Amino acid sequence: DTAVSQTPKYLVTQMGNDKSIKCEQNLGHDTMYWYKQDSKKFLKIMFSYNNKELIINETVPNRFSPKSPDKAHLNLHINSLELGDSAVYFCASSQGSTTIINEKLFFGSGTQLSVL
Amino acid sequence: AQKVTQAQTEISVVEKEDVTLDCVYETRDTTYYLFWYKQPPSGELVFLIRRNSFDEQNEISGRYSWNFQKSTSSFNFTITASQVVDSAVYFCALSEGFSGTYKYIFGTGTRLKVLA
Repeated sequence: DTAVSQTPKYLVTQMGNDKSIKCEQNLGHDTMYWYKQDSKKFLKIMFSYNNKELIINETVPNRFSPKSPDKAHLNLHINSLELGDSAVYFCASSQGSTTIINEKLFFGSGTQLSVL
Repeated sequence: AQKVTQAQTEISVVEKEDVTLDCVYETRDTTYYLFWYKQPPSGELVFLIRRNSFDEQNEISGRYSWNFQKSTSSFNFTITASQVVDSAVYFCALSEGFSGTYKYIFGTGTRLKVLA
């Protein structure tokens, strides 16, 4: 079983559309994250949730809205997609809360979003 | 300010050569953790090692070794006798909480190409 799974793997859409990316982890972790990786491979945190509560919101446009129905799921909904949103989005999870800084991250395989 | 610097954008070596990937970090915290992750062509990031700020002992795991030096704020990664399967993008990361919220900060990555 995949530890952190995200769907879809590829997402091609037109500007202005709304799309969602789903993420699920079966590791029993308390904290989940969304990262954005741009074309130069730069990885930047977008959000983190601990037990369904938003902990980190890294000045991401409010067109991006994460939703965590339970601690095993963290979905990302994006409204009014723009060209600059094209990137690879990674979901990740870690054990413990975000006050524990020594936890390693477990990543999903990424979602390649292409906005045309 | 850049907190994790990986100055080498891309390195190419011939199989069986040794290669060192550099990582320099910046933090005002006294307690922090450093990590290395590997991102192979398949895309998923994989944890390699974690080191805390109080443990400067170098570590060796098979062909991989890590040199942590607080005096120079560096956490370098050496692959001995490189293999084609080592070809990947390698990320150094810092986990610290000086700002009050603990989070990971990734470097910009070093792409390693090992040629047969």
